[in-house]
Amino acid sequence: QVTLKESGPALVKATQTLTLTCTFSGFSVYTSKLRLSWIRQPPGKALEWLARIDWDDEKFYRTSLKTRLTISKDTSKNQVVLTMTNMDPMDTGTYYCARIADEYGSGWFYFDEWGQGTLVTVSS
Amino acid sequence: SYVLTQPPSVSVAPGKTARITCGETNIGSTSVHWYQQKPGQAPILVMYYDSDRPSGIPDRFSGSKSGNTATLTISRVEAGDEADYYCQVWNTYFDPVVFGGGTKLTVL
Repeated sequence: QVTLKESGPALVKATQTLTLTCTFSGFSVYTSKLRLSWIRQPPGKALEWLARIDWDDEKFYRTSLKTRLTISKDTSKNQVVLTMTNMDPMDTGTYYCARIADEYGSGWFYFDEWGQGTLVTVSS
Repeated sequence: SYVLTQPPSVSVAPGKTARITCGETNIGSTSVHWYQQKPGQAPILVMYYDSDRPSGIPDRFSGSKSGNTATLTISRVEAGDEADYYCQVWNTYFDPVVFGGGTKLTVL
């Protein structure tokens, strides 16, 4: 059974750095050619993709947030970590980690498994 | 930038058919995926590669694409289908992943 679970602080202050951890199980980093992403959702708004990391450590970031984001993985712990610097109240929202899939190897990736999400509130 | 346009809301009576659209000029050159999100829950995948249905998703859900528009169709709508629906594509033009603005499906 595939599971992903996000963890991190529920409340951070503006200008601080947010660190979120996604702990996953039920699949192997290398045999499944793991690709994972972080996605966020401000309250009442749409989903917004943030970052992606692959099993070979290739990384991709949302262009508008690239300078503030860092994604990394610890394969020994089955974890992917996202850090976001200089937090702002506009960064308030639910942060999800999601597994990336591509059944046909087409390059048209989709998200087949999601964590439950973790709500982060940024206070001013 | 790459923008996927969805209607903010769609309303349908139980037992009828709901159609949720996702439009973009170059959508014909990519694959579209769809997610259902109920209040307080994480999204779940309901359609991928335009028209493939994951296991566990009822066959009342179907997907199609024509011209500049992809469509998620829900037949014989049930109260439990009430949710927000998001389309998503993977592209290389700007950001690798783009989500539509979401459509709130209301079952009357």
